[in-house]
Amino acid sequence: GAGVSQSPSNKVTEKGKDVELRCDPISGHTALYWYRQSLGQGLEFLIYFQGNSAPDKSGLPSDRFSAERTGGSVSTLTIQRTQQEDSAVYLCASSSWTGGTDTQYFGPGTRLTVL
Amino acid sequence: AQSVTQPDIHITVSEGASLELRCNYSYGATPYLFWYVQSPGQGLQLLLKYFSGDTLVQGIKGFEAEFKRSQSSFNLRKPSVHWSDAAEYFCASYTGGFKTIFGAGTRLFVKA
Repeated sequence: GAGVSQSPSNKVTEKGKDVELRCDPISGHTALYWYRQSLGQGLEFLIYFQGNSAPDKSGLPSDRFSAERTGGSVSTLTIQRTQQEDSAVYLCASSSWTGGTDTQYFGPGTRLTVL
Repeated sequence: AQSVTQPDIHITVSEGASLELRCNYSYGATPYLFWYVQSPGQGLQLLLKYFSGDTLVQGIKGFEAEFKRSQSSFNLRKPSVHWSDAAEYFCASYTGGFKTIFGAGTRLFVKA
């Protein structure tokens, strides 16, 4: 594809509900990253995929957060039993893996609001 | 712990004036350093990156950055700011593993 796409662009949910956020990386990119951007904060690393496996899940804030990637392409970030502090913009990025110094290409993000 | 600090939360400059956005990193060895820009409603776009070699790096949109090891800094500069440069700017550092650490960002306002 032309770039990284994310859906939905905006999501409003009620506290306690589950949400799924989707990321479509650039075709052929093996590495995929999820970040969280809270108001006034930098980007917080959540998880990284190389192919379908996630070597580094250390950034996931709690066991309510999970992510998967299938077919080395689309990734889904799931937040269960959402809390108000989960409100943030969730950004996805992909890259052609060259050891971590590769340029990451970002999607426009999903703005999550938990009421 | 490794960190990236952007001391200025926001900066306002006049159109046509010069710009310098500050970035300091905390890491023993030389990290890989990046500057990204985020326009409203958009994802982040890479402006430039430094891995090694010449400490003055040229990027897109007329931006440049200078790596100064003695000051642990990687400041972003532009000689003449345009209104379209108004955005949020993030400095980032890759130090190994899979993580890139981002600063909190500096929001740039451009006044006519």
